[in-house]
Amino acid sequence: DAGITQSPRYKITETGRQVTLMCHQTWSHSYMFWYRQDLGHGLRLIYYSAAADITDKGEVPDGYVVSRSKTENFPLTLESATRSQTSVYFCASSVGSGGAMETQYFGPGTRLLVL
Amino acid sequence: GQSLEQPSEVTAVEGAIVQINCTYQTSGFYGLSWYQQHDGGAPTFLSYNALDGLEETGRFSSFLSRSDSYGYLLLQELQMKDSASYFCAVRAGGFKTIFGAGTRLFVKA
Repeated sequence: DAGITQSPRYKITETGRQVTLMCHQTWSHSYMFWYRQDLGHGLRLIYYSAAADITDKGEVPDGYVVSRSKTENFPLTLESATRSQTSVYFCASSVGSGGAMETQYFGPGTRLLVL
Repeated sequence: GQSLEQPSEVTAVEGAIVQINCTYQTSGFYGLSWYQQHDGGAPTFLSYNALDGLEETGRFSSFLSRSDSYGYLLLQELQMKDSASYFCAVRAGGFKTIFGAGTRLFVKA
């Protein structure tokens, strides 16, 4: 199906483990984003990417790693999970910059619990 | 620092009009967006303002005043299904988007 998908939808892990959250979009959008959402904080940008092999830090990048070898995929890795990384993670994509192209389309989210 | 301020909660009755305000303080500014999010769901785009003035899309309108660093979302003819959280967001520089903490709208019958 066309759109933006995330996997897994739910994940339980333990502190210290490495976890990778997957994001895939079928629109060939240039820009992709990772956000985390916690109560009282809205959405906070972790990393974003303007194109394949181009990534940059957002507001809260510490403890996370991203890569973008293909336009359609933007995986997020927690190198050594901590309890503070328990959150809902959203991936988003957009066509580009300016006007309607700035619209971000969000995936369904991954609910991550770190024990 | 960079911040967006919006009320945490708003309550209104079905059929009424409600305005959700957003003030922002960012190092750069390219435009103000609004997103809706129902409980357990993903944010969905509502509107975008890059220039001063009012943008209307059906029952929803959005306003921006760049000189006041202020915008609002106006929802008319409220329906029960409009009960959700509403986020303002600013593209502040590069392609970094900063979101407000969200306004939870409760629509009562």
